[in-house]
Formats: sequence, structure tokens, C-alpha cells
Amino acid sequence: EPEVTQTPSHQVTQMGQEVILRCVPISNHLYFYWYRQILGQKVEFLVSFYNNEISEKSEIFDDQFSVERPDGSNFTLKIRSTKLEDSAMYFCASSKGQGATEAFFGQGTRLTVV
Amino acid sequence: AQSVTQLDSQVPVFEEAPVELRCNYSSSVSVYLFWYVQYPNQGLQLLLKYLSGSTLVKGINGFEAEFNKSQTSFHLRKPSVHISDTAEYFCAVSYSGGSNYKLTFGKGTLLTVNP
Repeated sequence: EPEVTQTPSHQVTQMGQEVILRCVPISNHLYFYWYRQILGQKVEFLVSFYNNEISEKSEIFDDQFSVERPDGSNFTLKIRSTKLEDSAMYFCASSKGQGATEAFFGQGTRLTVV
Repeated sequence: AQSVTQLDSQVPVFEEAPVELRCNYSSSVSVYLFWYVQYPNQGLQLLLKYLSGSTLVKGINGFEAEFNKSQTSFHLRKPSVHISDTAEYFCAVSYSGGSNYKLTFGKGTLLTVNP
């Protein structure tokens, strides 16, 4: 069964460093998403991406964040100059279409900023 | 704006007992409703979804949910739980208008099934 794959599963980084979280969406999916879940809190939408551009982003997704689809398979989230409060589980998701199409989620990358 | 309220942060039950996890939503437009499950150290897995039609939706692992438009609720039920159902359950909503139908999640309910 196809699945969304995220790497690494756990990343520890020092405050101020840049991190790149990687995702391989399901191959025939066209819509890509990043969500995050701070420990003990709800899963929050960060950004959606379609046709090689951001289609929607939340207020959390500020200039510190960027997304990219560098090739036909990967979808990355870059966090510049990480802060302690960026520590969270980051989920990548993809869907074939929008609306009623279900989003498939990856296993998540746990980011710890120290 | 949409919001999702999961009324119980933790629900402990004994094995083979029935369970109901409550979810209420607020939205001024038509919505799609979802329940996701997160097992320990794993990602989010879709349990079931309501898009249209029958208000009773059946999902995987014996779970079902009922959409109640007048009460703006989408409660999740299972008649008899197993130890393996221990997980965090998230209710989510997306609205049927808009560009990309992002999901808005509730805070989650931790279901703990005890022997």
C-alpha cells in the first residue's frame, strides 16, 4: 500500500540552526501539506502546496519557514534559525485531490530544538 | 472560522466496554468531518469520514460515527473496545468551499483501554 514517507524520524538541532525536514508523498498525489503538533497540543495546519506553489498558509508559517518540491518526488520543509518553540512533531500529508479526498499522513518527524 | 472541540481529553475504559468519543464543530458553511487515530509513536491514520449522504459512517476497526447537523456533532463510537484501541483520537473538519480544504483538528482524546 502506498504511503507518505518522512525522514528523519527524529532530529535534534541547536537553536539558531537551519533544519530541513523531508517527505516523499504518494506518487500520484498532487496536493501536499505540512502540519505540526507541539507536545500536548492539537495538530495545526502550516501550509499547503499545489502546482509548485504555496496555495494556503497559516499564520504560523512565517518567513522562518519555506517549502519546496525540488524534484518529482520530494517535498521539504525548511526552518531557518530554529527556536525552542519550534520543537514539535511535524507531519507531512498528501492527497490526490482537494475536498473530499482524504489526506494521507506520514509518520512524522520529531524535531527537538535545544 | 471553523473550530473543533473534543470534550474529553482522556477517556479510560475497560476492555470490551462500549466507548463514545465526543466531537463538536463550529462552521458557518458545509463541512466534511473526519476521525483520525494516532497510535503511540506513529502517524495519523484515517478512521472514517463523513462527506455526504448517510449520517452514520462506518470506519475501520469497528468504529462508527454519526453526523448530527442540528447539534453540530460527530461523535465516534465503538460497541466493544480492545486493548489495541489504546491511542489518541483526533476529530477534524474541512469546509467544502475554499481552495484546498485544509484540516482543522481538535485537541485529541486519549483513549486508554484497561484489562
